[in-house]
Amino acid sequence: QQQVKQSPQSLIVQKGGISIINCAYENTAFDYFPWYQQFPGKGPALLIAIRPDVSEKKEGRFTISFNKSAKQFSLHIMDSQPGDSATYFCAAHNNAGNMLTFGGGTRLMVKP
Amino acid sequence: SQTIHQWPATLVQPVGSPLSLECTVEGTSNPNLYWYRQAAGRGLQLLFYSVGIGQISSEVPQNLSASRPQDRQFILSSKKLLLSDSGFYLCAWSRRLGYTFGSGTRLTVV
Repeated sequence: QQQVKQSPQSLIVQKGGISIINCAYENTAFDYFPWYQQFPGKGPALLIAIRPDVSEKKEGRFTISFNKSAKQFSLHIMDSQPGDSATYFCAAHNNAGNMLTFGGGTRLMVKP
Repeated sequence: SQTIHQWPATLVQPVGSPLSLECTVEGTSNPNLYWYRQAAGRGLQLLFYSVGIGQISSEVPQNLSASRPQDRQFILSSKKLLLSDSGFYLCAWSRRLGYTFGSGTRLTVV
C-alpha cells in the first residue's frame, strides 16, 4: 500500500516534444506529491509539487496533472529540451510517518 | 537558508576496509535525516532514517550501520565493505514536506 508505481522506466523524446511520466498510488493517506529531477552524478532536486486538492499545477514548461479519484498523477514537460535529459522521480508524502515514498524513476533523454 | 553537506564526493575502497560517510545540515534544527543508496541506473533505496539524536531506523538489513551523534549530523558506516556496497549514496533531510538531498558520494569497492 506504500508503493508508488512510475512509468515508463525510460523515455526518448525529440526536442520540442512533450514528455509525459505517469505515477499511480494506493495509499489514500498520501497528502503531497513532489517530483524530483536528478542529473548524472548529482542528488535529486525538487522540481515541482502538488497537493491532492488541486488538479493541476504549472511552473514554466513543467505541469503536474493530478487525478485524485484514479489515484494517479503525471508530469508533463512541454517543449522538451536536451537540457531536460535527466532521471525523474515521483514521490508521495505520508503525513502519518512524515516519509516520502518514491517511484522507481524515469530516465528521460531528449534528442536534439 | 538551509544547506546540506555530504562528503567525500567520490571514494574508492578495497573489499574488507571500513567506511565512514558524513552528512551535516545547516540552518535548521531537529531535521529528519535519511541515507539512500542508488545503484547505477536504478531507483532510490532507503537505507536508514533518523527522527532525532541517537534514533536510527533501518529499512534494509545489510552490511551498513548509521549513527546520529548530533542533531544535524548523520554518519553511514561499515566495518568491512563488500563489493555489493558499491553505489551512489545520498543523504537527505526534511522538516515538514519534501526532502532536500545532498550531492551524493560515489563509492566504488574494489
